[in-house]
Amino acid sequence: DQQVKQNSPSLSVQEGRISILNCDYTNSMFDYFLWYKKYPAEGPTFLISISSIKDKNEDGRFTVFLNKSAKHLSLHIVPSQPGDSAVYFCAASKWSNDYKLSFGAGTTVTVRA
Amino acid sequence: NAGVTQTPKFRILKIGQSMTLQCTQDMNHNYMYWYRQDPGMGLKLIYYSVGAGITDKGEVPNGYNVSRSTTEDFPLRLELAAPSQTSVYFCASSYSGTGGLNPYEQYFGPGTRLTVT
Repeated sequence: DQQVKQNSPSLSVQEGRISILNCDYTNSMFDYFLWYKKYPAEGPTFLISISSIKDKNEDGRFTVFLNKSAKHLSLHIVPSQPGDSAVYFCAASKWSNDYKLSFGAGTTVTVRA
Repeated sequence: NAGVTQTPKFRILKIGQSMTLQCTQDMNHNYMYWYRQDPGMGLKLIYYSVGAGITDKGEVPNGYNVSRSTTEDFPLRLELAAPSQTSVYFCASSYSGTGGLNPYEQYFGPGTRLTVT
């Protein structure tokens, strides 16, 4: 049962514009959320995270928004750059002492010049 | 720091063969994880370990075994390989303890692409 869903498999955006990636979750016990970025033939790398006590976290060009009532989070990339072309995974975790993550299926972002 | 290293990068197995995927981290992380990623799917947790000598099943453990005799190494064993185990396997690690590191932030290796035919 997929508890973390990324319903858009792909996104194409022009360089300099905003990329918005969406993620929905079904488990109300999730209280920590992360975004990972993955290039081909490499492992995922951590991008940004947010705790359920916040509704926004910003790091440079990347901002994550959390709407707990809707069980929805989004990642905004502004402005998009060619190096942002990658697969982006949303992940979530329940508070526990094993820090296990549940991942979405990923969204492939292509930034057009 | 090399981070998380995985060997081999690629492997083709025949049905019924066995193999061990190696994973080593040099960051003194206490937590280690094994995931598989199938095409169009997210990463699914196979096994994890919260420290040397302690392992536990994840979401999809059938057909796999692990051991954690040292902090650094977390090998994944496939017994009697089946076509359903064709996938890309990722090892990851994280740290929980003093030092200010985020325990939810996992560091991933480059992956092992396994084909079973």
